[in-house]
Amino acid sequence: EIVLTQSPGTLSLSPGERAPLSCRASQTISSRFLAWYQQKPGQAPRLLIYGASSRAAGVPDRFSGSGSGTDFALTISRLEPEDFAVYYCQQYGSSPTFGQGTKVEI
Amino acid sequence: QVQLKQWGAGVLKPAETLSLTCAVYGGSFSDYYWSWIRQSPGKGLEWIGQINHSGSIDYKPSLESRLTMSVDTSKNQFSLKLSSVTAADTAVYFCARGQDGLLSYFDYWGQGTLVAVSS
Repeated sequence: EIVLTQSPGTLSLSPGERAPLSCRASQTISSRFLAWYQQKPGQAPRLLIYGASSRAAGVPDRFSGSGSGTDFALTISRLEPEDFAVYYCQQYGSSPTFGQGTKVEI
Repeated sequence: QVQLKQWGAGVLKPAETLSLTCAVYGGSFSDYYWSWIRQSPGKGLEWIGQINHSGSIDYKPSLESRLTMSVDTSKNQFSLKLSSVTAADTAVYFCARGQDGLLSYFDYWGQGTLVAVSS
């Protein structure tokens, strides 16, 4: 099973700032099969990014994904108030697994 | 617009069987794989297993002995049964749509069902 480690655990920022989130895999993820999700309290996760860098439908372009191999990143270029949430990475190069999450807080 | 709506018992006693169903509205039922994912404070998000319209199934190996998934294509529904539950199975359970078997990200999710196991 591929283990995903996200860092930092919590990111304390202000609206308008840039948010860099990291996801590191315990082994190489083939074909960039990595996705990112946003989750708000009481809601299901929402798909943001798939294929490491492709935005899902309706996702604002301030969200961008990058990386390959074992190191991946999600960047929110300028935080909006609605972006404060928990973010998860998920690999699907093999049986799906998720990271433990990064909380982006004010 | 694709919607997944799920339901099932929310409170169970140890050793009972968890039973959840998810109905799919909109979009194609046969072109995708249908997964169950759970979320607990201790284990985070955990993929449990998936099924497609023809009944092809993949289970998480550590849960396989207790899992049963089924599909009803006439109603565009799929179901999960997890037997012999313990407190460790307490979690919010989500159904979700996957793209391509085990090589899936999940683009639509149900609303989640909190399942609590307590004596």
